[in-house]
Amino acid sequence: RKEVEQDPGPFNVPEGATVAFNCTYSNSASQSFFWYRQDCRKEPKLLMSVYSSGNEDGRFTAQLNRASQYISLLIRDSKLSDSATYLCVVSLNTGFQKLVFGTGTRLLVSP
Amino acid sequence: NAGVTQTPKFRVLKTGQSMTLLCAQDMNHEYMYWYRQDPGMGLRLIHYSVGEGTTAKGEVPDGYNVSRLKKQNFLLGLESAAPSQTSVYFCASTSASHSNQPQHFGDGTRLSIL
Repeated sequence: RKEVEQDPGPFNVPEGATVAFNCTYSNSASQSFFWYRQDCRKEPKLLMSVYSSGNEDGRFTAQLNRASQYISLLIRDSKLSDSATYLCVVSLNTGFQKLVFGTGTRLLVSP
Repeated sequence: NAGVTQTPKFRVLKTGQSMTLLCAQDMNHEYMYWYRQDPGMGLRLIHYSVGEGTTAKGEVPDGYNVSRLKKQNFLLGLESAAPSQTSVYFCASTSASHSNQPQHFGDGTRLSIL
């Protein structure tokens, strides 16, 4: 079983749609959680951290359920520029910060 | 505003050749990491460093060596390249060991081994 699992997609949505991605993680010792965005052939970039109480950044909302070991990302009013791969990432503190990456969910937003 | 810089951006090698990938960061970060990314797989940690002069193995260290002689630089070496090492390599850095600190990535090195 992968440590971090995501649906690879692709999710094809029209502009303006709302889309949600889910992610599950297997290590209950995971301490911090992130969503990174990766454009084709580019480096991953931090989209947002995910906090236990849930958090929002503009059109993006992230939720964490520690009991179910589940993380979600909601994107409202999708833009063409949101087309990318979204990486679910969990962090373990094992004496150094160890990030464990999901394989990513691809989003395609069409006009 | 350079952040994390990787050189080279692209390279093609023949099996058995050696090369070194350079990662440089200007953010005074203590922690540096080398990852590889392959299709259908998440980024996997090759080696990491928690400070100048220290290195440690990650998840997939075989076939690679690293050095951190200066705090700002983290070098990844392939002594005898193999086709299985064809991949995209990313370097990252972060300021502390705290798990809630995000890592900052370089823009990658695309390496092909023929």
